[in-house]
Amino acid sequence: NAGVTQTPKFQVLKTGQSMTLQCAQDMNHNSMYWYRQDPGMGLRLIYYSASEGTTDKGEVPNGYNVSRLNKREFSLRLESAAPSQTSVYFCASSRDRSPTDTQYFGPGTRLTVL
Amino acid sequence: DAKTTQPPSMDCAEGRAANLPCNHSTISGNEYVYWYRQIHSQGPQYIIHGLKNNETNEMASLIITEDRKSSTLILPHATLRDTAVYYCIVSNQGGKLIFGQGTELSVKP
Repeated sequence: NAGVTQTPKFQVLKTGQSMTLQCAQDMNHNSMYWYRQDPGMGLRLIYYSASEGTTDKGEVPNGYNVSRLNKREFSLRLESAAPSQTSVYFCASSRDRSPTDTQYFGPGTRLTVL
Repeated sequence: DAKTTQPPSMDCAEGRAANLPCNHSTISGNEYVYWYRQIHSQGPQYIIHGLKNNETNEMASLIITEDRKSSTLILPHATLRDTAVYYCIVSNQGGKLIFGQGTELSVKP
């Protein structure tokens, strides 16, 4: 099993450009998540998808959109990138959202917006 | 969600037990304690979780006080590869994790 995979690993954008971060999991998990991590900080939840066909806002959703394409894939889109969105983005998945379901994280995408 | 308090950094000698404390004095009755770690900018990795009882797995042990207001993660024989940031999180949903700044554990030879 590859677990959770993310593409690309690195990306540099100019202010105003758009891009989509891709995430896929092969563990047959129902729930998927997008986080961002700024330097020296903990992770903050951007959006999550409790199950296929549903998405909900997390702590810091402004400036982002998401799509749960199918059970395996959950993408994060920046429509008009801003320097404040420079960060490391992590995707995660869990079987469900019960207390005993733990999250599995991908390796991250390092995004720089100039 | 209850908040947690962790020391910002700790050192541990290789081969010795690493004991990482966490205070969560406002924890609710249905909230679990979770521990994750993040090694050098990799994605966080689940370690262990518990509700009331002490728990042990192949990675670590979790000791929760009887009043549940604090807990300790124990890495029994720390190695250099255990150098990481350790996050203590309390939540009533495995899918709702709020990461603080964690404890940066340095394991030294």
